[in-house]
Amino acid sequence: DTEVTQTPKHLVMGMTNKKSLKCEQHMGHRAMYWYKQKAKKPPELMFVYSYEKLSINESVPSRFSPECPNSSLLNLHLHALQPEDSALYLCASSQDRRVGAGGYTFGSGTRLTVV
Amino acid sequence: GESVGLHLPTLSVQEGDNSIINCAYSNSASDYFIWYKQESGKGPQFIIDIRSNMDKRQGQRVTVLLNKTVKHLSLQIAATQPGDSAVYFCAENLNKLVFGAGTILRVKS
Repeated sequence: DTEVTQTPKHLVMGMTNKKSLKCEQHMGHRAMYWYKQKAKKPPELMFVYSYEKLSINESVPSRFSPECPNSSLLNLHLHALQPEDSALYLCASSQDRRVGAGGYTFGSGTRLTVV
Repeated sequence: GESVGLHLPTLSVQEGDNSIINCAYSNSASDYFIWYKQESGKGPQFIIDIRSNMDKRQGQRVTVLLNKTVKHLSLQIAATQPGDSAVYFCAENLNKLVFGAGTILRVKS
């Protein structure tokens, strides 16, 4: 299995809702990442997990809460989001955080719309 | 290429021609660079990478050139095909992967 799987593919949520994005990989990768991508912009790093521990938080607002239950799973819990948080949320993984061949493997993303 | 306002730079090429996509990176200490291709509705897909101790690397139909003196990276695609149409991002690694602005490649048949 050489894929990163993200669910759901599309999500519409109200500003008072609580929802979660899920990401799964079975490549034995020990580093996992959340990126946010707005239309016509490059992906922007949000969080980095290394060996199930949070190692980078790029000053992301607390309404985004990441969780890494085990080495294969990464969640992003969403609460009280704003319309400007609407974006494509990408999950990625890599063998570990050291520089390595092949870069990161990305999932297809969750298209989030906040109404 | 650099983004201008809300618009990504666009490169239009005829099918069969060679394409050259350029990227200026920001940090002279970056030691690893990657080119990604992103098609509509998909996540970025790895194309080719290069370490900072190299200045050229070739793959199948693609070549990456690195000029550290001017912090410039380019991606050359030989015999461009309609399936190459996508947004192309360079990314530099310095403890974390940071993406450049991106370039839209349109292939005319």
